[in-house]
Amino acid sequence: EAQVTQNPRYLITVTGKKLTVTCSQNMNHEYMSWYRQDPGLGLRQIYYSMNVEVTDKGDVPEGYKVSRKEKRNFPLILESPSPNQTSLYFCASRRLAGGGLLKETQYFGPGTRLLVL
Amino acid sequence: QKEVEQDPGPLSVPEGAIVSLNCTYSNSAFQYFMWYRQYSRKGPELLMYTYSSGNKEDGRFTAQVDKSSKYISLFIRDSQPSDSATYLCAMSEYNQGGKLIFGQGTELSVKP
Repeated sequence: EAQVTQNPRYLITVTGKKLTVTCSQNMNHEYMSWYRQDPGLGLRQIYYSMNVEVTDKGDVPEGYKVSRKEKRNFPLILESPSPNQTSLYFCASRRLAGGGLLKETQYFGPGTRLLVL
Repeated sequence: QKEVEQDPGPLSVPEGAIVSLNCTYSNSAFQYFMWYRQYSRKGPELLMYTYSSGNKEDGRFTAQVDKSSKYISLFIRDSQPSDSATYLCAMSEYNQGGKLIFGQGTELSVKP
């Protein structure tokens, strides 16, 4: 079954305590990305990766780090979490469509709800 | 001004109604337009994906893009209670990855 998994699903932590949220996909997708979702703001892209060792900033990268050492994994690292990073986080992966109007295939993980005290 | 604007609703319609969901955007470089559906406590799922201007139909769903007006729409015909969800538009400059910018999402409720 095609899927994107995230761990943990729920996390309560304190300001300044480093944490990592893992993301893994089993579809051999090139493109992976992280989003945060906050009420009234929709989804905002944090970082994305076009392939192994290729990452770039999205709209709201401050306070986050990522790495892409393997195609299937794309962890999100918060080196020093702050309360304004309390949010619902989604990881997603997608096949990069070739030329023409190919149907996109994109999958989102189930989300990680983070509370930073 | 946000790059992508979407009326957050909530929008409530009776079963069987035609629903129109809309987004406006400011970046004329956007070429790829997507609509996602997100049920409560779930991740978004891709509904429709279109390139440039024009219409695309998939069952009860029609996506429409008007690049000259920087305006995209999603129409749902014969709406069902199972369509009750939040609908998010998203857009990108590039087909091969790159940044993806989302609207705020519109919460839709279809009443039986």
